[in-house]
Amino acid sequence: DGGITQSPKYLFRKEGQNVTLSCEQNLNHDAMYWYRQDPGQGLRLIYYSQIVNDFQKGDIAEGYSVSREKKESFPLTVTSAQKNPTAFYLCASSIKVGRGSLSNQPQHFGDGTRLSIL
Amino acid sequence: AQSVTQLDSQVPVFEEAPVELRCNYSSSVSVYLFWYVQYPNQGLQLLLKYLSGSTLVKGINGFEAEFNKSQTSFHLRKPSVHISDTAEYFCAVIRMDSSYKLIFGSGTRLLVRP
Repeated sequence: DGGITQSPKYLFRKEGQNVTLSCEQNLNHDAMYWYRQDPGQGLRLIYYSQIVNDFQKGDIAEGYSVSREKKESFPLTVTSAQKNPTAFYLCASSIKVGRGSLSNQPQHFGDGTRLSIL
Repeated sequence: AQSVTQLDSQVPVFEEAPVELRCNYSSSVSVYLFWYVQYPNQGLQLLLKYLSGSTLVKGINGFEAEFNKSQTSFHLRKPSVHISDTAEYFCAVIRMDSSYKLIFGSGTRLLVRP
């Protein structure tokens, strides 16, 4: 079955360390997204990518970086500049990003990575 | 700017009772509307979506939602809940002119008691 795989499920970061969260999809989706989820809040967009080798900042990109070298993969790096990284991180994908009739494509989500500080 | 408001952070209900989870939105342009469900330590699963046409939409697991344009609401309902419906429910919108940005409400935790 097609889907989105996020790994690891749990991750711990030491002070001053960069960590990378993996997201792989086999849905043949063009667009991929990273969200951060904090308790009592909705999801907030970190980065998104509409096509290979291209990505844009979302609402809370500071302290994070991404790459999109392959259609299937969209890894997220939480850098040491992110001072409050403890959160649940969700990756999503959709068929396409577009205007008008294409904008109704739902996003499919992975099962998330929970990041904590040591 | 768009926003999505879920006024109820938690809704406790007894098993087999009906439930309504409220969602209101504000937007200067037309939007598509979605409800997602999140079980503990899992990702989000699409429950239903409103794109156009009939304002009453049916989703998975017996849920339905009604779009009310005049009240800018998209409330989620289920006539009889089960213990297994205990989860977090998120309302979300996408502007029709800018589809990359899915804007979420803060979520409502549905707690079904026996």
